[in-house]
Amino acid sequence: EAGVAQSPRYKIIEKRQSVAFWCNPISGHATLYWYQQILGQGPKLLIQFQNNGVVDDSQLPKDRFSAERLKGVDSTLKIQPAKLEDSAVYLCASSYSRGEGQYFGPGTRLTVT
Amino acid sequence: EDQVTQSPEALRLQEGESSSLNCSYTVSGLRGLFWYRQDPGKGPEFLFTLYSAGEEKEKERLKATLTKKESFLHITAPKPEDSATYLCAVALTGGGNKLTFGTGTQLKVEL
Repeated sequence: EAGVAQSPRYKIIEKRQSVAFWCNPISGHATLYWYQQILGQGPKLLIQFQNNGVVDDSQLPKDRFSAERLKGVDSTLKIQPAKLEDSAVYLCASSYSRGEGQYFGPGTRLTVT
Repeated sequence: EDQVTQSPEALRLQEGESSSLNCSYTVSGLRGLFWYRQDPGKGPEFLFTLYSAGEEKEKERLKATLTKKESFLHITAPKPEDSATYLCAVALTGGGNKLTFGTGTQLKVEL
């Protein structure tokens, strides 16, 4: 069974630029999550989708971050404009349902200079 | 405020030297507690889910236990390939499947 796919794996941008990350969840998984992991910390949930509807985006900085999940499968997370403090690993995860264990992709390491 | 605290922050063991990692939590209502393993440059790998006090789960050299206030991840006779960061996370009742993570325990097993 293929795991969660993410791209790109690494991205370096300057502050005030925009960036987008892509995620393809495990086939059949209805729930998709985006997490931000700052070095030395545990992942922090940014947004959770159930199919293509948003379940929880309470910790998403909506003035600069946006996310969508078209057709209930792939998802993109966008940052515009980026700040230095956005440097982190962005992890995508999926689960079969809201109560199941979550399976993570390899992450995208973002460096904002 | 809901909190998840892991200890120690770092642990160095000799191969074969058994030990335990701790995850203590203060939450309004626990729906489940999750353990993950994270290798450098990779995403967290799901290990276990525990739902009720007294529950135990095992996988190879790892055994996870749960009480009303904390969880332990016991590592029996560890090998160098067990070196990783181990993350604990909680899901709350009424919180959907949102996970709140601790900061992890960085384990290094030496020959």
